[in-house]
Amino acid sequence: DAGVTQSPTHLIKTRGQQVTLRCSPKSGHDTVSWYQQALGQGPQFIFQYYEEEERQRGNFPDRFSGHQFPNYSSELNVNALLLGDSALYLCASSLRLAGATDTQYFGPGTRLTVL
Amino acid sequence: AQSVSQHNHHVILSEAASLELGCNYSYGGTVNLFWYVQYPGQHLQLLLKYFSGDPLVKGIKGFEAEFIKSKFSFNLRKPSVQWSDTAEYFCAVNTGGYNKLIFGAGTRLAVHP
Repeated sequence: DAGVTQSPTHLIKTRGQQVTLRCSPKSGHDTVSWYQQALGQGPQFIFQYYEEEERQRGNFPDRFSGHQFPNYSSELNVNALLLGDSALYLCASSLRLAGATDTQYFGPGTRLTVL
Repeated sequence: AQSVSQHNHHVILSEAASLELGCNYSYGGTVNLFWYVQYPGQHLQLLLKYFSGDPLVKGIKGFEAEFIKSKFSFNLRKPSVQWSDTAEYFCAVNTGGYNKLIFGAGTRLAVHP
């Protein structure tokens, strides 16, 4: 049973560039959530997708956008990168019908460095 | 806005010592509470969760946590830690009907043999 996978593992970009991160959820899951984990902090919720639409959003600017595909995989896009966007980006998957008590399964993350 | 506070950022223990990590949340309504662990080089994984019923919940690897509603707390405990418990521990909460987790800043635990 494949867990949550993310690609790439590491990325280095320069300020002003754009980046796309990818996530495949755990088998059987239909909901994908994205989190940003800055160094020394806990993960912060960016947004959540199910049925190919953004359903909830955290306190992140519009430079952060996403997409969910019919196979439930998801992308996170960040435009006009800032130095402060350097972080570990985590994807988590869950089952919508199970509701708020369902366990979110996390992937290994993508480490983004903005120079 | 909801928030989660973890009192200790770094904890150092010797093997066989008892562990208690504090977690407090700010929200007056119904909450679901989680403890996640991140072992070195591995991704976040669930230790235990509480959403209803017995406020004392047991998780994997001998961990347990107690939900005290009057104190808005969900402290993690283990009676005797092992070197393999060295990891970062995160308390998290979600509220309402959405599975959106709010995390604390984490506690880094180092266990010396």
